[in-house]
Amino acid sequence: AQKITQTQPGMFVQEKEAVTLDCTYDTSDPSYGLFWYKQPSSGEMIFLIYQGSYDQQNATEGRYSLNFQKARKSANLVISASQLGDSAMYFCAMREQGGSEKLVFGKGTKLTVNP
Amino acid sequence: KAGVTQTPRYLIKTRGQQVTLSCSPISGHRSVSWYQQTPGQGLQFLFEYFSETQRNKGNFPGRFSGRQFSNSRSEMNVSTLELGDSALYLCASSPSYGGGQPETQYFGPGTRLLVL
Repeated sequence: AQKITQTQPGMFVQEKEAVTLDCTYDTSDPSYGLFWYKQPSSGEMIFLIYQGSYDQQNATEGRYSLNFQKARKSANLVISASQLGDSAMYFCAMREQGGSEKLVFGKGTKLTVNP
Repeated sequence: KAGVTQTPRYLIKTRGQQVTLSCSPISGHRSVSWYQQTPGQGLQFLFEYFSETQRNKGNFPGRFSGRQFSNSRSEMNVSTLELGDSALYLCASSPSYGGGQPETQYFGPGTRLLVL
């Protein structure tokens, strides 16, 4: 069964510094996708970045990058140059290939950016 | 292009009542999924629809049901509400269904349901 683990309930970072949010996953399917979403207090889930299991390079989207280590089954999110607006819950999620659009989510990490 | 819209945004009901939540996907998206988010259980998959057919269902009682219309809009219904149904209900859409390459799901703002 699919499983996502986020071991950091809360993280603090100073404005303009970089921060890494951890995510490990478990699946027996060789083909899968990993996603990171941001959820501000308003509740909406905002898509940040995607990594496919067969992608050769780590995904990047602006200030977001994904440190994908397939052998260790980890997909950590790196946010560079943190901004106050980055304060939110961050969720790692996985979808296996084919058959369903179902996403399995981790418990999330609450990131607080301090001025 | 407009994002995923959900109505209503907030809802207060009493135990035993029923509720219907609506979701309009991004234009051109044909797959709709629903999730329940609570502080205790986190984000849990409810069900997903494609081509007006329920393709997959999570581990929820039969009080939770849904449907999808020909224009891809979706509704979910919860009958005989219980206090534990208080949650944020999120809808997500994606372009197609079950493709070889996982596609990104885009979420709506959610409906906050409070059951008293």
